[in-house]
Amino acid sequence: GQSLEQPSEVTAVEGAIVQINCTYQTSGFYGLSWYQQHDGGAPTFLSYNALDGLEETGRFSSFLSRSDSYGYLLLQELQMKDSASYFCAKGGSNYQLIWGAGTKLIIKP
Amino acid sequence: DGGITQSPKYLFRKEGQNVTLSCEQNLNHDAMYWYRQDPGQGLRLIYYSQIVNDFQKGDIAEGYSVSREKKESFPLTVTSAQKNPTAFYLCASARTGGALNTEAFFGQGTRLTVV
Repeated sequence: GQSLEQPSEVTAVEGAIVQINCTYQTSGFYGLSWYQQHDGGAPTFLSYNALDGLEETGRFSSFLSRSDSYGYLLLQELQMKDSASYFCAKGGSNYQLIWGAGTKLIIKP
Repeated sequence: DGGITQSPKYLFRKEGQNVTLSCEQNLNHDAMYWYRQDPGQGLRLIYYSQIVNDFQKGDIAEGYSVSREKKESFPLTVTSAQKNPTAFYLCASARTGGALNTEAFFGQGTRLTVV
């Protein structure tokens, strides 16, 4: 089964801020990544956290707390083009990437 | 330009036939992966490979086979034993070594439909 948990769907308004949470099991943890996938497309890498704290990349930020086995993706100044599914993924042993089931972000005008 | 290429983009197969999906990368990555994605679902790992001539089963390997004869290539065969093969198939590659392996690069996917 999944060892990462994230909400299945989040709704937000254009121009607002939204946070997508991800909790994970700690066994074999080698960092937490976030990916964006538009309908019909391939996932694209957004950010990566190996250590605790906030990583900022433009309008997107990602946070990690290893003591809480928790991370989140923060999207600011939401645009309609940000409507997509967002996946958290953790690096595991044996070079595996272990994925959450994804969060569908719906943005309303 | 470096990247990862999957072909074909769309593939139709008759029930009972084997079909091979191509995946090629020129990123000099050691690790390669095959995932299956069903509508509205996340990615499920079929097979992965860390180095040439070595690969491991993922969570849903039954009915699939792979080979890794070259670093650049990791083809996936969907066999007639796969009971429900219609899906979106994604190939990915990543550098190996500790935390570096969490940044994966994906091909554009192959949408397989069994008719």
